[in-house]
Amino acid sequence: SQTIHQWPATLVQPVGSPLSLECTVEGTSNPNLYWYRQAAGRGLQLLFYSVGIGQISSEVPQNLSASRPQDRQFILSSKKLLLSDSGFYLCAWSLTFYEQYFGPGTRLTVT
Amino acid sequence: AQSVTQLDSQVPVFEEAPVELRCNYSSSVSVYLFWYVQYPNQGLQLLLKYLSGSTLVESINGFEAEFNKSQTSFHLWKPSVHISDTAEYFCAVSKIQGAQKLVFGQGTRLTINP
Repeated sequence: SQTIHQWPATLVQPVGSPLSLECTVEGTSNPNLYWYRQAAGRGLQLLFYSVGIGQISSEVPQNLSASRPQDRQFILSSKKLLLSDSGFYLCAWSLTFYEQYFGPGTRLTVT
Repeated sequence: AQSVTQLDSQVPVFEEAPVELRCNYSSSVSVYLFWYVQYPNQGLQLLLKYLSGSTLVESINGFEAEFNKSQTSFHLWKPSVHISDTAEYFCAVSKIQGAQKLVFGQGTRLTINP
């Protein structure tokens, strides 16, 4: 069976510090991968998605970036965090794009 | 582009009462429709989907939704809710041709009171 992991589960970082969130999927090959951000009262915002290694589509201009160095690994990064980057970050995978399977999420607080 | 509007940000109901969560979408092309559920402090799970065929779809835990093309709606309901249904519910849409992503609504927080 397939599983998706995200770490860390929670993170508190000061403004201006770097960020690296990791997502890995087990039990499947060549999945589509997604990063979402969920801010309080603002629903789910798609940040990046990837249909293959090295292929990243950005949905929202911001100070975040994503990389897919391996087939089942998806990384969300920032060189300098802003207060507005606080939120709940969710990684998801799918084989059919619409039936997405979500990870447990990372709660990021920027102070 | 597609967009989704969930008309209620919060819906409080009593246990065993019926509930309807409303979802309207906008799209210039044909779409697939979905409801996802997020239990507290967890990721989202697919609850039910409309791809084609019967416009009435059901989930394994008693929720139903009906695709109404003329009203561009995909409302979710359940005849009798349980405490365990407390969660946030997201309506989502994708275009059928050439789509690689979902567009989500803002979510509706369903709170069940005993």
